Amino acid sequence: AQSVAQPEDQVNVAEGNPLTVKCTYSVSGNPYLFWYVQYPNRGLQFLLKYITGDNLVKGSYGFEAEFNKSQTSFHLKKPSALVSDSALYFCAVSLDTGGFKTIFGAGTRLFVKA
Amino acid sequence: SQTIHQWPATLVQPVGSPLSLECTVEGTSNPNLYWYRQAAGRGLQLLFYSVGIGQISSEVPQNLSASRPQDRQFILSSKKLLLSDSGFYLCAWRGRQLSGANVLTFGAGSRLTVL
Repeated sequence: AQSVAQPEDQVNVAEGNPLTVKCTYSVSGNPYLFWYVQYPNRGLQFLLKYITGDNLVKGSYGFEAEFNKSQTSFHLKKPSALVSDSALYFCAVSLDTGGFKTIFGAGTRLFVKA
Repeated sequence: SQTIHQWPATLVQPVGSPLSLECTVEGTSNPNLYWYRQAAGRGLQLLFYSVGIGQISSEVPQNLSASRPQDRQFILSSKKLLLSDSGFYLCAWRGRQLSGANVLTFGAGSRLTVL
C-alpha cells in the first residue's frame, strides 16, 4: 500500500534562513509527488509536483523540492524563509490506478519567526 | 476557468441529525471527485472518490455516504451524525487528462461540529 511520511510535526526557522520540510514515501511503481500548503481554515493549495525528469522541481513562492529515488524522499526547500511562509505543509503521492487517488502525509507545521 | 464550490462553510449539528454537504465544480467536465476529512487541523483522510456519475468508491468504513447525481456535483451525507464525525471536510477535483499527474484542486472546506 502506498504511504507518505512527514517525520516532523513542526519546523521552526528564523526569517531569512533556509528551510527544509521532510517527506518520504512508499509506493509500488513510479509515483507522482506533490507538495500542498494550507493556511488556517482554508483548502489546500498546490505548490509543486514531480512527474518525471529533472530531480529538482521549482514551484510557487520560491519553493523547490528534490526527488531522491534511492532514498524515496521528496523534501521541500526554500533558500530564504519569510514570515508569510508560516502554514501547514502536506506532502502527497498519487498513482495511475484506482481512481488516481492521492494519499497525503500527516502534515508539517512551519513557523517562521521574524 | 475552473472553480469549485463547497457549502455550507460552517455547520453545527446535534448528534443523531442528518447531514448533507455539497460540492460543485464549474468549467470542466468528467472530473474525478474526492471527499477528504481533516481532523484536528492535521492529516487528510480520503473518504470517497468518484470517477463518474453514480460511481462511488469508499475508502474507509464509516457513518457517511457519498453520491454523484450529476457530472459536476458530489454530495456527502449521513443519516445520523456521531460526535466523531466532527471535522473539516474538503472536496477536491482533478481532470482526467494525465490521470494521477494532475493537480488536485480543493474547495474552501466545510467545518462540521457535532454536539
